[in-house]
Amino acid sequence: GQQVMQIPQYQHVQEGEDFTTYCNSSTTLSNIQWYKQRPGGHPVFLIQLVKSGEVKKQKRLTFQFGEAKKNSSLHITATQTTDVGTYFCAGRTSGSRLTFGEGTQLTVNP
Amino acid sequence: DTEVTQTPKHLVMGMTNKKSLKCEQHMGHRAMYWYKQKAKKPPELMFVYSYEKLSINESVPSRFSPECPNSSLLNLHLHALQPEDSALYLCASSQTPLAGDRDTQYFGPGTRLTVL
Repeated sequence: GQQVMQIPQYQHVQEGEDFTTYCNSSTTLSNIQWYKQRPGGHPVFLIQLVKSGEVKKQKRLTFQFGEAKKNSSLHITATQTTDVGTYFCAGRTSGSRLTFGEGTQLTVNP
Repeated sequence: DTEVTQTPKHLVMGMTNKKSLKCEQHMGHRAMYWYKQKAKKPPELMFVYSYEKLSINESVPSRFSPECPNSSLLNLHLHALQPEDSALYLCASSQTPLAGDRDTQYFGPGTRLTVL
């Protein structure tokens, strides 16, 4: 079945440093979605990428979808303490359910 | 408005109890989902309702019984649960089920369930 691998599992950074999490799928995806879950909270939708090579930005967050539509990344520039949480990617092949990555838990030291 | 509401926020129940979790959305979404999430793990899909009909059951034990009374409401009936069923139960909805750009899923705040 479809698998989505996400690395790293944990990332500790100093405030102001950059952060990147990566997702790789065993199969070509029709789209990929990113979610953020704060400690004690629920997953909150951030963005969806659909097109090959797509790049989208939300303030300090940059999302990329690979040319082959099998990998994606989320990059945060100059992290802040408000960025703390677990970031999940979730990929979908055509007509199938979302498959979540294991998530990257980000901690930011002030 | 992308709000999905869930009640209760917390629930503690014994193994012989019967309880229900409730989920509501007023975004006109026609797909609703139940997920189970253990600590430090991603959400695991349990059920999908598409146009008020059960379309996916991920081999969930029968002690979990979903119900979709109408397009805005989703229930999860619980009976004879085990301690290992303790988890965060998340409801989600999307405009249409498994249909490209419109299946972006919006999650509710979840019910944190403890089974004693």
